[in-house]
Amino acid sequence: GQQLNQSPQSMFIQEGEDVSMNCTSSSIFNTWLWYKQDPGEGPVLLIALYKAGELTSNGRLTAQFGITRKDSFLNISASIPSDVGIYFCAGLYGGATNKLIFGTGTLLAVQP
Amino acid sequence: GAVVSQHPSWVICKSGTSVKIECRSLDFQATTMFWYRQFPKQSLMLMATSNEGSKATYEQGVEKDKFLINHASLTLSTLTVTSAHPEDSSFYICSAQGGASLFFGSGTQLSVL
Repeated sequence: GQQLNQSPQSMFIQEGEDVSMNCTSSSIFNTWLWYKQDPGEGPVLLIALYKAGELTSNGRLTAQFGITRKDSFLNISASIPSDVGIYFCAGLYGGATNKLIFGTGTLLAVQP
Repeated sequence: GAVVSQHPSWVICKSGTSVKIECRSLDFQATTMFWYRQFPKQSLMLMATSNEGSKATYEQGVEKDKFLINHASLTLSTLTVTSAHPEDSSFYICSAQGGASLFFGSGTQLSVL
């Protein structure tokens, strides 16, 4: 199945550090979404981006929808231990069906 | 916010048996639901799109006769893994479309012995 390329694959950082991860695609998407998944749980939506070039914040999280509509990044500032988890980008084709394609994921570990 | 309930949370079954997983939208109607499969340390892979009152649309490589999807009402979609084998062991997640938003269930861990 189709996946989006997400990098880095994993990160191990110290509490308080900033984090950046990005997602690229060969396809154009109408919407980019960023999710966080804890072990044994479904993904939880963090940020949704609807327009090319859009920069959106949610607390310590900031995400941008690339101008080409083929990429997006997520930044986490001043990381804390509860930021630990797997972060997924997802592209939404939209139209008649909200078909969501997920990125390969970034595992984030935060050392207190 | 909208809630999607997925049941069971985990299931262990013997090889060759069938397992049914339910996905319910608790406070909204969902004409479309989606089923994903996630293997350990991997991403969510879309298996199929479930449409209320019509046949599901399966992604390439997903066997429709093995993964039976029924979306009989606006609040319930079921995924039945027929004649399950150990390689079907995975984390299965559903999502439901409520308006312009998608809401995810908490997933079902299937282990086939």
